[in-house]
Amino acid sequence: EVQLVESGGGLVRPGGSLRLSCAASGFTFSIYAMSWVRQAPGKGLEWVSRIVGSGGNTYYADSVKGRFTVSRDNSKNTLYLQMNSLRAEDTAIYYCAKQVKNTGGYDDYWGQGTRVTVSS
Amino acid sequence: DIQMTQSPSSLSASVGDRINITCRASQGISNYLAWFQQKPGKAPKSLIYAASSLQSGVASKFSGSGSGTDFTLTISSLQPEDFATYYCQQYNSYPITFGQGTRLEIK
Repeated sequence: EVQLVESGGGLVRPGGSLRLSCAASGFTFSIYAMSWVRQAPGKGLEWVSRIVGSGGNTYYADSVKGRFTVSRDNSKNTLYLQMNSLRAEDTAIYYCAKQVKNTGGYDDYWGQGTRVTVSS
Repeated sequence: DIQMTQSPSSLSASVGDRINITCRASQGISNYLAWFQQKPGKAPKSLIYAASSLQSGVASKFSGSGSGTDFTLTISSLQPEDFATYYCQQYNSYPITFGQGTRLEIK
C-alpha cells in the first residue's frame, strides 16, 4: 500500500525558514517523480514543485522560485521541501504527491498534508 | 502558463442525478488532463488521468472525455459520498496548473 506522510509544518514568522519532509513507503521511491502541492485556507490547489526520480531535474512555480528548494534522499525514501524567506501568502496545507513516471505524469497518490502558517 | 478554467464553479444536484463539469485549457494540452476529488479536510484523490482513463479503484460512475482544450468530467447516479469539490489539472507542461475547482452540493 502506497503511503505518503508529510511532517515539518508549523508556525513561522515572515522571513523565516521551514523544511518539510514526506516519508514514502509501499513503492519503489527512487523510480518515481514527486511533487509538492499546496492549498491556502479556503482556496484551490496550487502546484509548487516537482523533482524527478533521480533528483537530477527540478521544477518550480514562479511564486516560490528562488525561495523554495525541493530535494529527495532515495536511500531514506524521503522527499523534502526547504522553504526560505517565507511570506504570509505561503500559509497553506502542503501535500506531497507521487507521480506515475520517473519524469512526471499525473499525481496518483497524495499524502494527508502538513499545515504551514506564516504569521508574526 | 496554461490557464485551466472550470465551469460551473458550484453546482447543486440531487442524489441520483447525472452531472457534467467542464474544464477548458487556454491552449492545447493533448490528453494530459487529470481530475481529482477533494472532500473537506481531506487530501485530493485521483479519479481520471489522460483525460478519460479511470484511476484504479475508482468507481465506473466517474468518466472523463475530451482532448485538446475542452474536457468534461461526468458523474452518474450521484450518491451522498460524491458531494465534494472537483479539480482538473493539466500536466502537459510546466508549470502544472489546476482549475479553480467545482463545488458539488446536495440540492
